[in-house]
Amino acid sequence: RKEVEQDPGPFNVPEGATVAFNCTYSNSASQSFFWYRQDCRKEPKLLMSVYSSGNEDGRFTAQLNRASQYISLLIRDSKLSDSATYLCVVTRGKLIFGQGTELSVKP
Amino acid sequence: GAGVSQSPRYKVAKRGQDVALRCDPISGHVSLFWYQQALGQGPEFLTYFQNEAQLDKSGLPSDRFFAERPEGSVSTLKIQRTQQEDSAVYLCASSSNSGASYGYTFGSGTRLTVV
Repeated sequence: RKEVEQDPGPFNVPEGATVAFNCTYSNSASQSFFWYRQDCRKEPKLLMSVYSSGNEDGRFTAQLNRASQYISLLIRDSKLSDSATYLCVVTRGKLIFGQGTELSVKP
Repeated sequence: GAGVSQSPRYKVAKRGQDVALRCDPISGHVSLFWYQQALGQGPEFLTYFQNEAQLDKSGLPSDRFFAERPEGSVSTLKIQRTQQEDSAVYLCASSSNSGASYGYTFGSGTRLTVV
């Protein structure tokens, strides 16, 4: 069992759909939490940090539940350009990645 | 340069061959990390340097893997006697913070194919 587990993908959705990604982590000593985005054959890039109070960046909302060790990402009004792999990340002195969930947004 | 530079971008090695992968971090970045990303998987941690000191090498999969950063800037990941299971993208990341949670910048990676 991996330390960071994500929904298996891929997710295929039409433009304008709302998409939810789920992630759980097993080590309660994890310190910080992030969502990264990785385009095909590119390096991972930080999408947003995740806090217990929840945080929003435009169409993107991230939430952390420390008690249940659960992290979520919601994308509203999805665009073609949102197509990518979304990586759930926790830190304990280094970045620890989930396996990623691929999203494909179709016209 | 402005970003993390990795070379070569692509490498094809025959099984049993030794390879060396280079990472040029952002100037002045203290922390440097190596990750291995197999096809369809998330990046897996290999090793971490703070300046020239290798503080964590717990992710190196075998003693065939060796990393160094002798002057605290450029780093080299060496793989001896490559095997087919070593085929992956090797990513380097650097950060200005020690023991960083934030501020990672990744390079574009080296795609290694062992035939």
